[in-house]
Amino acid sequence: QVQLVESGGGVVQPGRSLRLSCAASGFTFSRYPIHWVRQAPGKGLEWVAVIANDGNDKHHADSVKGRFTISRDNSKNTMYLQMNSLRPEDTAVYYCARDLVVASAAYYFDYWGQGTLVTVSS
Amino acid sequence: EIVLTQSPATLSLSPGERATLSCRPSQSISRYLAWYQQKPGQAPRLLIYDASNRATGIPVRFSGSGSGTDFTLTISSLEPEDFAVYYCQQRSNWPRVTFGQGTRLEIK
Repeated sequence: QVQLVESGGGVVQPGRSLRLSCAASGFTFSRYPIHWVRQAPGKGLEWVAVIANDGNDKHHADSVKGRFTISRDNSKNTMYLQMNSLRPEDTAVYYCARDLVVASAAYYFDYWGQGTLVTVSS
Repeated sequence: EIVLTQSPATLSLSPGERATLSCRPSQSISRYLAWYQQKPGQAPRLLIYDASNRATGIPVRFSGSGSGTDFTLTISSLEPEDFAVYYCQQRSNWPRVTFGQGTRLEIK
């Protein structure tokens, strides 16, 4: 069965960095675009970033552009989110989510991980 | 940015009743809209995409309709497990996808 497992969250001071990982199994990872979506405590959902199935195309939300970088290693079935210059408003549960469509991002999310909590606080 | 306005914020109904949730984009998005269900402590679950297509494994009591600037999620007869928060999401101007603020469906 499709599984996505996030890791790497924790408490970090403002201005510091953190790298999240998303390990995938149960499907052909290299065929699907993968996204990061976050949810601040008690709030709604916010799309963060997407990476194409081959890693050659990436997009980031304006709120994280220049600070966060999405990447993937298809040989390890793993996707990453490098988060630099963290701010308190980045505090959220970060989910990785598979795109609904093979190869071409549809920006609909059919499978989600359980999420990893990032807390940015001094 | 396309803003999605969901209404009502909270909907109180009993099992067996029909639920109607609304999502209104700030500009036309054709049919590029999805609906998700989220229960406490869980990740969202895709219910509907492209306004009216049920995702894999979603019961037929869930249906979506609409286009342009007016969309509806209908649950024909509420089951106890349907009480949750529901979000709409647009992909019309990807990558600037946005979500609505959510509708909480609670047991009356």
